[in-house]
Amino acid sequence: GENVEQHPSTLSVQEGDSAVIKCTYSDSASNYFPWYKQELGKRPQLIIDIRSNVGEKKDQRIAVTLNKTAKHFSLHITETQPEDSAVYFCAASKGSYDKVIFGPGTSLSVIP
Amino acid sequence: NAGVTQTPKFRVLKTGQSMTLLCAQDMNHEYMYWYRQDPGMGLRLIHYSVGEGTTAKGEVPDGYNVSRLKKQNFLLGLESAAPSQTSVYFCASSVGDEQYFGPGTRLTVT
Repeated sequence: GENVEQHPSTLSVQEGDSAVIKCTYSDSASNYFPWYKQELGKRPQLIIDIRSNVGEKKDQRIAVTLNKTAKHFSLHITETQPEDSAVYFCAASKGSYDKVIFGPGTSLSVIP
Repeated sequence: NAGVTQTPKFRVLKTGQSMTLLCAQDMNHEYMYWYRQDPGMGLRLIHYSVGEGTTAKGEVPDGYNVSRLKKQNFLLGLESAAPSQTSVYFCASSVGDEQYFGPGTRLTVT
């Protein structure tokens, strides 16, 4: 079955710097890659996603890139702010209605 | 519109006891999921359902059973709780790609 790895497990950056989280997946049939943010004590929430027919997607300070050949995708957060501090999960699935497999998460701390 | 709700929020069980976690959604979503979240291991899929009356196994189904008798409800059962089942349990539902999560249930098995 699908396996999703995520690095680093913890990341600390200064406010205003960029943060990058990288994920790899094992199943070449996966074609949908969401990213979820989970603040302390809260539920995970979708922040951005990308499909296999797109190489990059941006939404304000957040961007995701996908390399299908290498089976890896990354989350980029620019101009980080303290409210970006959270655990971020990447995930992969074969598309709508297929089960989603999550990575182990990255704990991001933005230092003011 | 409450979204996805979970009952209870917290529970402490003794080893061998049984319990049922209830997930309810009012968004008319077809798909529902149960995950467990443990430190350093992310969200692991226990069971999921693609519609009323159907269920399927996820990554870590052992020790759990589920039922989806009504479209809006997805029940997770622990027949004989073990300390290894101490975790935070999240339910989610979806109609397309995005999954909507409930607030979670923190379960401790002593």
